[in-house]
Amino acid sequence: AQSVSQHNHHVILSEAASLELGCNYSYGGTVNLFWYVQYPGQHLQLLLKYFSGDPLVKGIKGFEAEFIKSKFSFNLRKPSVQWSDTAEYFCAVNAGTDKIIFGKGTRLHILP
Amino acid sequence: KAGVTQTPRYLIKTRGQQVTLSCSPISGHRSVSWYQQTPGQGLQFLFEYFSETQRNKGNFPGRFSGRQFSNSRSEMNVSTLELGDSALYLCASSSSYSPPDTQYFGPGTRLTVL
Repeated sequence: AQSVSQHNHHVILSEAASLELGCNYSYGGTVNLFWYVQYPGQHLQLLLKYFSGDPLVKGIKGFEAEFIKSKFSFNLRKPSVQWSDTAEYFCAVNAGTDKIIFGKGTRLHILP
Repeated sequence: KAGVTQTPRYLIKTRGQQVTLSCSPISGHRSVSWYQQTPGQGLQFLFEYFSETQRNKGNFPGRFSGRQFSNSRSEMNVSTLELGDSALYLCASSSSYSPPDTQYFGPGTRLTVL
């Protein structure tokens, strides 16, 4: 069965630190990949997505993600985090079906 | 454009009761998906509707059902509620379902089962 793994359940960083959140999926075929973010008290919203083309995808608020097919990974990165990046981040994958599978999420807490 | 709306925002029910949740998608979106969000399991896919037809279903018991109307509004129903059904139920709409594109989420309905 298809699955999405987010290795870090809870990450704590200081402002200006660099961020990388891991996401791995299990499927050997063509995938569409997403990162969503849920800020405290707000709706889930799309950060970025990858369908095809350049495997380095840039999203909103300075986030980017790199699709590495050989590693079945789609890690989210940001060079310098801000306190306002405190949120829960979800990786999601559409893998050969018409439904999107979400990871369990990573809670990111940025210390001011 | 107005976003995805869900009603009610909060519900408290007791075991054995049933509940109906409603979702109005973004205007023009014909795909509506439902998710259950809990702290331990994250977002779990319930089902997806497109043009009044259920296109996909997650691994939930038959107590969970849904439907979509001709105006794309969707409802989900949970019968014979159990304590474990307490969760945030999220609705998301999308302009297409195959392949699935960006999902726009509503604020959710917080269901508490006592």
